[in-house]
Amino acid sequence: DAGITQSPRHKVTETGTPVTLRCHQTENHRYMYWYRQDPGHGLRLIHYSYGVKDTDKGEVSDGYSVSRSKTEDFLLTLESATSSQTSVYFCAISSQGGGGQETQYFGPGTRLLVL
Amino acid sequence: GNSVTQMEGPVTLSEEAFLTINCTYTATGYPSLFWYVQYPGEGLQLLLKATKADDKGSNKGFEATYRKETTSFHLEKGSVQVSDSAVYFCAWISSGSARQLTFGSGTQLTVLP
Repeated sequence: DAGITQSPRHKVTETGTPVTLRCHQTENHRYMYWYRQDPGHGLRLIHYSYGVKDTDKGEVSDGYSVSRSKTEDFLLTLESATSSQTSVYFCAISSQGGGGQETQYFGPGTRLLVL
Repeated sequence: GNSVTQMEGPVTLSEEAFLTINCTYTATGYPSLFWYVQYPGEGLQLLLKATKADDKGSNKGFEATYRKETTSFHLEKGSVQVSDSAVYFCAWISSGSARQLTFGSGTQLTVLP
């Protein structure tokens, strides 16, 4: 299994509070991704990173920010959580970006409930 | 737009039955295609992939063939086991500069003993 951990694994928070989720990898892969999983939608990309301090938006980036100060860590922040951000969040990593040859490997997920 | 359409679930089969989960995609260019599996309470695991037309991906008795003419990547297994119970996701990624995996909505499979 790819060395990916996510923390916390479960979190309950209140509307309006900031929340930060952490993804940590031990594979030294360049690319890291944050997805959210919701019933009927599969997984949708929130943000991704193609290197330290290099990030870009995905399909559903509104309300989220990310940071990557080290190769191994990719943080996802909800500045002011809303109930619509209740979801399961998955981090993924890959050694290559695009090109069709890459495989993305996923972490175990973080289940977030916003009350 | 770009999308993946998967057979809706849930699918319930008896052990040793034949499995097909349909997947069709809408994409420009020549995407790579994937099947991921998610067991209860876990993250997604890559099951198999195919990177060009007519390629067949296979793993753990599962197979899928990249059919460009029908834009399909149907998942099949000849004899399912109870341990195959999971959610299966079809996905593709562009061969261009885009890095986003586009996922189908998932198909829940339950295999009964």
